[in-house]
Amino acid sequence: DVKVTQSSRYLVKRTGEKVFLECVQDMDHENMFWYRQDPGLGLRLIYFSYDVKMKEKGDIPEGYSVSREKKERFSLILESASTNQTSMYLCASQYQGAYEQYFGPGTRLTVT
Amino acid sequence: QKEVEQNSGPLSVPEGAIASLNCTYSDRGSQSFFWYRQYSGKSPELIMSIYSNGDKEDGRFTAQLNKASQYVSLLIRDSQPSDSATYLCAVSNTDKLIFGTGTRLQVFP
Repeated sequence: DVKVTQSSRYLVKRTGEKVFLECVQDMDHENMFWYRQDPGLGLRLIYFSYDVKMKEKGDIPEGYSVSREKKERFSLILESASTNQTSMYLCASQYQGAYEQYFGPGTRLTVT
Repeated sequence: QKEVEQNSGPLSVPEGAIASLNCTYSDRGSQSFFWYRQYSGKSPELIMSIYSNGDKEDGRFTAQLNKASQYVSLLIRDSQPSDSATYLCAVSNTDKLIFGTGTRLQVFP
């Protein structure tokens, strides 16, 4: 079974803080994705990566950056957290050449 | 027009009935279609994938695809209260998935 883990289930941060969300997968998947999910807006793609040290912007990259130093780990960084970044953050991984994505448990981030 | 459209629901069905969830998509080049189940407060879980026209059955679940009509559906037979969740339709013609906003299903005893 694919196992995708995320560093925290719940996180509360203050406005202006730098926030790190980490995602680790154990299936040697090449592709990894970060989404946020908000009521009524569905899942929106923030960033994705096809390989180590590679990153591509998704639909809503503003205010975020990512890091992929190892194949199994993909980090999402909020450089200066704002209240409008309060959301559920979901990481997913995918085998290159396949289409199915497998999600981690999610991190519910609250920025106050 | 949204790329992947689903009725938000809630769709309420009695226990034991067939639940029918529908999804339409706008990109005719789409090749891969998925259904995810998401319980409240949890992450999406892949339950079905379908790639060619017709039906695909897996236990109580049947996915149906009609590319000409740009329509994909999920049938859940013998619905159980544990099936109560939001069902997300996802469509792709690349490595990226486009998700609908989901249909909330409620199965009442």
